[in-house]
Amino acid sequence: RKEVEQDPGPFNVPEGATVAFNCTYSNSASQSFFWYRQDCRKEPKLLMSVYSSGNEDGRFTAQLNRASQYISLLIRDSKLSDSATYLCVVNIGGGSYIPTFGRGTSLIVHP
Amino acid sequence: GAGVSQSPSNKVTEKGKDVELRCDPISGHTALYWYRQSLGQGLEFLIYFQGNSAPDKSGLPSDRFSAERTGGSVSTLTIQRTQQEDSAVYLCASSLGTGNYEQYFGPGTRLTVT
Repeated sequence: RKEVEQDPGPFNVPEGATVAFNCTYSNSASQSFFWYRQDCRKEPKLLMSVYSSGNEDGRFTAQLNRASQYISLLIRDSKLSDSATYLCVVNIGGGSYIPTFGRGTSLIVHP
Repeated sequence: GAGVSQSPSNKVTEKGKDVELRCDPISGHTALYWYRQSLGQGLEFLIYFQGNSAPDKSGLPSDRFSAERTGGSVSTLTIQRTQQEDSAVYLCASSLGTGNYEQYFGPGTRLTVT
């Protein structure tokens, strides 16, 4: 099993739709979690951190489920500009300082 | 404030030549990471620095790859005797520290080996 797994998609949704992605991780000792967004031929940009209590930023909500070892990203009222690849990142911590990136989930928002 | 910068933004080189890629992290960030991304692929971890020290070099693809960081700031990634399979975007990221900190990426260097 890969350390961090994401459904590659693409998720093809109309403007205004609500869409959710999950990211599963294999190491139960993982300590911190992030969502990044990567546009085509651009560098990844931090979207939001994922806290144990969840995190909401405007139309975006991130949740952590430690029992089932996954994080989720919910996007409400999708915009055309949300089209991108969404990467989840997991830090194991405890002496391992190499963040593990998922392969990303592609989102296409169409008119 | 200034973000992570990388130079050059694009590099085209002939097979067999050496190349040097540069990364300037965000001021005050002690951790620095190098990744490689081939077209349509995920990020491949190469190496990270905490200060000037590189505790884990296991991600470097071969002994043709090396990296250094001086003064706790600028880092260079050197690829000797480049091969066509080295063609990729090389991304640098920095963070306040290792562990649970978010990373901030530079725009990358697109390397093409002909």
